[in-house]
Amino acid sequence: KQEVTQIPAALSVPEGENLVLNCSFTDSAIYNLQWFRQDPGKGLTSLLLIQSSQREQTSGRLNASLDKSSGRSTLYIAASQPGDSATYLCAVTGNQGGKLIFGQGTELSVKP
Amino acid sequence: GAGVSQSPSNKVTEKGKDVELRCDPISGHTALYWYRQSLGQGLEFLIYFQGNSAPDKSGLPSDRFSAERTGGSVSTLTIQRTQQEDSAVYLCASSPWGGAYEQFFGPGTRLTVL
Repeated sequence: KQEVTQIPAALSVPEGENLVLNCSFTDSAIYNLQWFRQDPGKGLTSLLLIQSSQREQTSGRLNASLDKSSGRSTLYIAASQPGDSATYLCAVTGNQGGKLIFGQGTELSVKP
Repeated sequence: GAGVSQSPSNKVTEKGKDVELRCDPISGHTALYWYRQSLGQGLEFLIYFQGNSAPDKSGLPSDRFSAERTGGSVSTLTIQRTQQEDSAVYLCASSPWGGAYEQFFGPGTRLTVL
């Protein structure tokens, strides 16, 4: 059974710092991995999608990497801003695609 | 273009009553997913539709939960005889097709069972 773990559960950094969020999964037979952010009381906003054949994806100040064989992904946020404060979730789909299996999330706080 | 919409945004009901939650996916998206987010369990998959059929219902927690999709578009999640443990945020997502495509989420329906 696929399990997704995110470390740390919470992170507080001063504005301007570069930071890394970690995601690990137990079954390497994934189809893709998706990173989301969730603001309090809101739905999920998709940030990046990495297909299983890809190593990384970039969008603005965000860079996500995938090491499928070791069951790990990282989300790198450059030059963090207070507006980046949110909960970040990673999720994987199995090798038939379809449903997402989520981690518990990392709650990020960026202090001005 | 319009994103995924869900209604109602909030629903308060009494234990034992039935509720219906609605999801309008992005136009043209053939895949539709329901998830549930609760404090103790995180985000859990409930059911997946491809068109009007549901090839994966494995996440429905009991036979009190059912869902349908008509015309390959709108979906309704029905919870019968609600229990307090059903209190959660119910999220709907859609994608152009199942599998490799990015899923886009709606704002959710917050269900509170008193």
